[in-house]
Amino acid sequence: RKEVEQDPGPFNVPEGATVAFNCTYSNSASQSFFWYRQDCRKEPKLLMSVYSSGNEDGRFTAQLNRASQYISLLIRDSKLSDSATYLCVVNYSGRTGNQFYFGTGTSLTVIP
Amino acid sequence: EAQVTQNPRYLITVTGKKLTVTCSQNMNHEYMSWYRQDPGLGLRQIYYSMNVEVTDKGDVPEGYKVSRKEKRNFPLILESPSPNQTSLYFCASSPGLTRAGGYTFGSGTRLTVV
Repeated sequence: RKEVEQDPGPFNVPEGATVAFNCTYSNSASQSFFWYRQDCRKEPKLLMSVYSSGNEDGRFTAQLNRASQYISLLIRDSKLSDSATYLCVVNYSGRTGNQFYFGTGTSLTVIP
Repeated sequence: EAQVTQNPRYLITVTGKKLTVTCSQNMNHEYMSWYRQDPGLGLRQIYYSMNVEVTDKGDVPEGYKVSRKEKRNFPLILESPSPNQTSLYFCASSPGLTRAGGYTFGSGTRLTVV
């Protein structure tokens, strides 16, 4: 079983739509959670950290459900510039070391 | 400007010819890591380092070596590259678990081994 699983999509949505991505993780002791955005052939860039209480940054809302072991990202009022791949990242530190686990990414295309 | 710098951006080499991809960060981060990204497989961790002289294997360490002699540098060494190491490589750094923060990635190195 993969450490982090995401629906790869693709999600094709019209401008102005609201879209949500989910991500599940397998290790209940995971400690930190993030969403990254990656444009084609570019490096991933931190979009936002995910906190237990949920957090919002403009049109983006991230939520964490520890009981069900999933995190979500909601994008409201989609823009063309939101087209990218969104990566879910989970961090775990234990006896075996400190590792970040990446989902394979969810592809989003916002259509005019 | 806070950044992770890796070089080269593009590299084509032949099987068996040793190569090094350099990575340097100017943020005084403790934690550094190397990933490879392949279609359908996502980002997979090769090696990571929690501090100077401390390195550990990630998920796919075979065929790679690393060193961390200084805090800012974390080179990736392929002693005898093979075609299955053709991939997009990213170096990344992080402040470490004691402080909040995810990764900052370098711009990537696209390696082709023929």
